[in-house]
Amino acid sequence: SAVISQKPSRDICQRGTSLTIQCQVDSQVTMMFWYRQQPGQSLTLIATANQGSEATYESGFVIDKFPISRPNLTFSTLTVSNMSPEDSSIYLCSVKTVGGPNEAFFGQGTRLTVV
Amino acid sequence: AQRVTQPEKLLSVFKGAPVELKCNYSYSGSPELFWYVQYSRQRLQLLLRHISRESIKGFTADLNKGETSFHLKKPFAQEEDSAMYYCALRSRDDKIIFGKGTRLHILP
Repeated sequence: SAVISQKPSRDICQRGTSLTIQCQVDSQVTMMFWYRQQPGQSLTLIATANQGSEATYESGFVIDKFPISRPNLTFSTLTVSNMSPEDSSIYLCSVKTVGGPNEAFFGQGTRLTVV
Repeated sequence: AQRVTQPEKLLSVFKGAPVELKCNYSYSGSPELFWYVQYSRQRLQLLLRHISRESIKGFTADLNKGETSFHLKKPFAQEEDSAMYYCALRSRDDKIIFGKGTRLHILP
């Protein structure tokens, strides 16, 4: 299994500002993903964080709004840029480990409220 | 298209009664399906996956390719089963696609 730490666990931000969320894993992982869970909704994949190259974004999500970094195999960041109240969500980091069970592990999430 | 459908947003069941959470999928080929659970104030965690054919906390799920279903079942509900349940599918490019989730509420 993998232990995932996300920081911050929650934040309240002013509209127009940006927030960077960090995801740290305790072991090397093959794939890292970022999801969004809007209030009362399911998880929607934002992008796949690729190590050493640009992230792969899903339809409806763009790099300018959600820049992602992944400098190594155990760490990634997601920035929510120029925030508006519609960005209020839980943001989750997910990983798939090297070897081991073929399942996804999730961080505890970052609860973001934009005012 | 690869898609997971959970038709029930909320399911209320009396303690001791059987539980069935419905999940249907759309996928061409052999799917890999999962059930994830999120208890109150806890992180999302894997409950079970179809390839291991295991029973976790009394829950089972059988893949029915003819009906493209992967319903989650438990013969006798317990109060601690109250949670949000998500059916999920692994896509060809290794992403996990989630259904909208079903909130299971166990009544005393």
